[in-house]
Amino acid sequence: EVQLVESGGGLVQPGGSLRLSCVASGFTLNSYWMHWVRQAPGKGLEWVANINQDGSKKYSVDSVKGRFTISRDNAKNSLYLEMNSLRAEDTAVYYCARAIGAAEAYWGQGTLVTVSS
Amino acid sequence: QSVLTQPPSASGTPGQRVTISCSGSSSNIGGNNVHWYQQLPGAAPKLLIYSNNQRPSGVPDRFSGSKSGTSASLAISGLQSEDEADYYCAAWDDSLHGVVFGGGTKLTVL
Repeated sequence: EVQLVESGGGLVQPGGSLRLSCVASGFTLNSYWMHWVRQAPGKGLEWVANINQDGSKKYSVDSVKGRFTISRDNAKNSLYLEMNSLRAEDTAVYYCARAIGAAEAYWGQGTLVTVSS
Repeated sequence: QSVLTQPPSASGTPGQRVTISCSGSSSNIGGNNVHWYQQLPGAAPKLLIYSNNQRPSGVPDRFSGSKSGTSASLAISGLQSEDEADYYCAAWDDSLHGVVFGGGTKLTVL
């Protein structure tokens, strides 16, 4: 069974850091582009970043450039999002997603990040 | 201020056919495939349509997608109460080098 399980969310003060993890099971991570997508409370979906199969290509939305870093460890079947200089507007549920635009698309259940003092 | 524009709401009665539109530009919908997601309350998004009009395994044929120029549409026929959810369109954007989503359409089954 395919599973994506996110962890690492929580309450953090403005300016703080968090590292999100996403562990994949039931499939081989290194076959897919992987993405982080977030959803602020009561709002729509916002794509955050993605990374290709071997980690050589990475893209991110302008609002997180220079603050968030996406990475992967295929040997551990894991995807990461390092988040620094967090702001209140980064408060959201963060989803790990496989192959957003393909038949094999699959999303985890998400992890909540709350940035507040 | 989403890059892709969707109506915020749509509604229909059981058995009816409803359509949800998604408008973009040449850098996203005009040059790339469109995908549609369904998000039930409290759940993660689920892929409904990929590559404009393809249904993943397990998605009923009541759901269909189309694209023309810089716009796309999702059609739901034989509307059912369990279709009440938020629907999002998505596409790659060549200018932004990223995925863009519509703002979402809340579908209400009356």
